[in-house]
Amino acid sequence: QKEVEQDPGPLSVPEGAIVSLNCTYSNSAFQYFMWYRQYSRKGPELLMYTYSSGNKEDGRFTAQVDKSSKYISLFIRDSQPSDSATYLCAMNKGGSYIPTFGRGTSLIVHP
Amino acid sequence: GAGVSQSPSNKVTEKGKDVELRCDPISGHTALYWYRQSLGQGLEFLIYFQGNSAPDKSGLPSDRFSAERTGGSVSTLTIQRTQQEDSAVYLCASSLVAGGPRNEQFFGPGTRLTVL
Repeated sequence: QKEVEQDPGPLSVPEGAIVSLNCTYSNSAFQYFMWYRQYSRKGPELLMYTYSSGNKEDGRFTAQVDKSSKYISLFIRDSQPSDSATYLCAMNKGGSYIPTFGRGTSLIVHP
Repeated sequence: GAGVSQSPSNKVTEKGKDVELRCDPISGHTALYWYRQSLGQGLEFLIYFQGNSAPDKSGLPSDRFSAERTGGSVSTLTIQRTQQEDSAVYLCASSLVAGGPRNEQFFGPGTRLTVL
């Protein structure tokens, strides 16, 4: 079993929909949680960063961490075709500088 | 300013040949990472450099893989005697410091390696 599990999709939604992307993890040592967005043929770029449990909002994006359930989510409101990309979750253990990445979920937002 | 650059963008090689992949990090970034991304897979950590410290090579899959970083800047990932299973996108990332987990990594566009 991988330390971080993420459904690869693809997830196809209509423009304007609310998107929910999720990851589960098995190691309770993970403390820092990130979401990266990766467009085709590009490197990943950091979208959201959260520490410990709770919610963090940035524009149309909300990151949610539930450490008790070992479950993290990224919500995208009013999704746009430009949001079509692969979204990777990543997480760090305390004191580690090397994140563990999920496989990524491919999101397609169609007009 | 300039981001992380990688060269070549694409590399096709024959099985058994050696390849060198280059990464130019963002100027002033002390930490540099190499990852491998295979089709449908997440990012697999390969090696990490931080300043003048000994690199963390714990992710290198075999002794055919090596990397160096000269002058704390440019890095080269070398794969000797390439195998077909080495085919993947090799991504380089740099971060300003590695003094804590909030070390936002900036990724290059990757080198797509195909071993025939």
